[in-house]
Amino acid sequence: GAVVSQHPSRVICKSGTSVKIECRSLDFQATTMFWYRQFPKKSLMLMATSNEGSKATYEQGVEKDKFLINHASLTLSTLTVTSAHPEDSSFYICSARARTSGGARETQYFGPGTRLLVL
Amino acid sequence: GEDVEQSLFLSVREGDSSVINCTYTDSSSTYLYWYKQEPGAGLQLLTYIFSNMDMKQDQRLTVLLNKKDKHLSLRIADTQTGDSAIYFCAERWTTDSWGKLQFGAGTQVVVTP
Repeated sequence: GAVVSQHPSRVICKSGTSVKIECRSLDFQATTMFWYRQFPKKSLMLMATSNEGSKATYEQGVEKDKFLINHASLTLSTLTVTSAHPEDSSFYICSARARTSGGARETQYFGPGTRLLVL
Repeated sequence: GEDVEQSLFLSVREGDSSVINCTYTDSSSTYLYWYKQEPGAGLQLLTYIFSNMDMKQDQRLTVLLNKKDKHLSLRIADTQTGDSAIYFCAERWTTDSWGKLQFGAGTQVVVTP
């Protein structure tokens, strides 16, 4: 199946610093990538949708200046948590939607997630 | 709460069948997915079904869809310890051009020897 990678898999940072998380589709082009946040024992919360070459669309309640998303190419999207605080500690997961869309086979492929701990 | 609802926990003995249930929102057409998440990992797509189908079988997995009741189930035959994980059902509306998914809260499946 399609492969999506995330880097880093785990990061610990000090409060006030910024952290960048990369999401790459390794064997397909992704027109759309999604960023999710998952709290312990909870479902995935969609943070934003990013399309290659355009501004990301953020879900209600998600601060766009806090969580900067860049979708620079069809295989790479980045999420930067700016001025991170302990409450930003979470599991961040990206997913990618294949370029050849439409039909029953279209779906999202998920990355392995990035565990962020802000001290 | 979520529009997609799931039972939160299921305990099953190794070798038995597991059935995970999900109800989804009203929509004229939708894709429905089952994902598996193991501890500390991302989501793995298990299977999917389109809303004009009643059933789909893929090896040990059987998906049943009751469109009238908007009820979706995933049956795992001969459940193994490696099937212990959280299972999410998700809905995608075809009218959403970006293909956003709406997830349920996830069902924790624990397989006991």
